Amino acid sequence: SYELTQPPSVSVSPGQTARITCSGDALPKKYASWYQQKSGQAPVLVIYEDSKRPSGIPERFSGSSSGTMATLTISGAQVEDEADYYCYSTDSSATRFGGGTKLTVL
Amino acid sequence: QVQLVESGGGVVQPGRSLRLSCAASGFIFHSYGMHWVRQAPGTGLEWVAVIVYDGSNKYYRDSVKGRFTISRDNSKNTLYLQMNSLRPEDTGVYYCAKDWGPADTRPENWGQGALVTVSS
Repeated sequence: SYELTQPPSVSVSPGQTARITCSGDALPKKYASWYQQKSGQAPVLVIYEDSKRPSGIPERFSGSSSGTMATLTISGAQVEDEADYYCYSTDSSATRFGGGTKLTVL
Repeated sequence: QVQLVESGGGVVQPGRSLRLSCAASGFIFHSYGMHWVRQAPGTGLEWVAVIVYDGSNKYYRDSVKGRFTISRDNSKNTLYLQMNSLRPEDTGVYYCAKDWGPADTRPENWGQGALVTVSS
């Protein structure tokens, strides 16, 4: 079945660039979205259609996709960006979310 | 603004049934697809089901097919998830989410979730 693979964790210091990857065989044909989930809260959409940013999301969040890999980039990561991040891609019945990446900023 | 409020969660024994509801406001409910997404304690997000704007198409993850039914009442601005033959592995927080568009694109706005615990 279709799967999306993410690294379990990424760690950066404040002000550094964090990159979180998501790999999947269908990504060349399907858009990726990214969600941020802070502890105890509902997820928030931060990137859609590989690289578009919803209104209200800081410009330091960006996305890209090439081949079978999508990447979420946080340029100048802040302490408040510490959260779990999930990629998502539409498939009619298969797993749609990646396993999640815990971003630590300290 | 978009508001989604889940209700109907609780503790239920394995094999029993439960129905979740999601009351929607702040947008034109009948124009958008709707999702259910769950999260077991300490684990990641797991997409469960989606229903398009008019209810004509529904999709489910394989592990809930035949047990769960997603539905909507556009006259009441409410989304439902009927869960039958519940298993311990169905335990988790269930979120309803509004889609970006009328069909099945991506979850955009999320509720705060309802906790379902399946345990004897």
